[in-house]
Amino acid sequence: GAGVSQSPSNKVTEKGKDVELRCDPISGHTALYWYRQSLGQGLEFLIYFQGNSAPDKSGLPSDRFSAERTGGSVSTLTIQRTQQEDSAVYLCASSSGTGWGGDTQYFGPGTRLTVL
Amino acid sequence: QKEVEQNSGPLSVPEGAIASLNCTYSDRGSQSFFWYRQYSGKSPELIMFIYSNGDKEDGRFTAQLNKASQYVSLLIRDSQPSDSATYLCAVRRYQLIWGAGTKLIIKP
Repeated sequence: GAGVSQSPSNKVTEKGKDVELRCDPISGHTALYWYRQSLGQGLEFLIYFQGNSAPDKSGLPSDRFSAERTGGSVSTLTIQRTQQEDSAVYLCASSSGTGWGGDTQYFGPGTRLTVL
Repeated sequence: QKEVEQNSGPLSVPEGAIASLNCTYSDRGSQSFFWYRQYSGKSPELIMFIYSNGDKEDGRFTAQLNKASQYVSLLIRDSQPSDSATYLCAVRRYQLIWGAGTKLIIKP
């Protein structure tokens, strides 16, 4: 079946503009995760959804960042008033959400965001 | 102390040798342990995961857990240049905690 998809693959924006990043998880996966990865760095957790609810928003770096998920499927990550330090690859992952130990996250190809 | 730690590397291994990657974790109650591989410019992909009750071998890859010392290892036998990548360790008790990754270089 289809994997996790993300769009756009690349986004170049000007400082101060808003951007929306989209994630389409694997069909049937109830859990969805957003991460950020700066060049040469590890994964930075942003937010986790179980269904349409976000029990863990602890990683959102500021109130300029928000995310929603509708219909238990597609999620959008919105960054308002973008700053140059927001430039990174934004990765989405999904998992079955069973909560058991082997619940595996599968990643999308990422969106590379460049803020000029 | 970070919850999951990995040596950032790079770890350089000659082709055909065994590459050994380690990951230490702080939560003694951790129950599952994941290894992902990330090629440059690509997203992470799962290699394998193990539970706290045992090791696992899959082809050239073996994941081993040392609970007493709280580290998990990934061994890659007969290393190939195509194994050159960053290897991410992740550990779960309640939520998945990620290490920063070890860069592995296999030299022909």
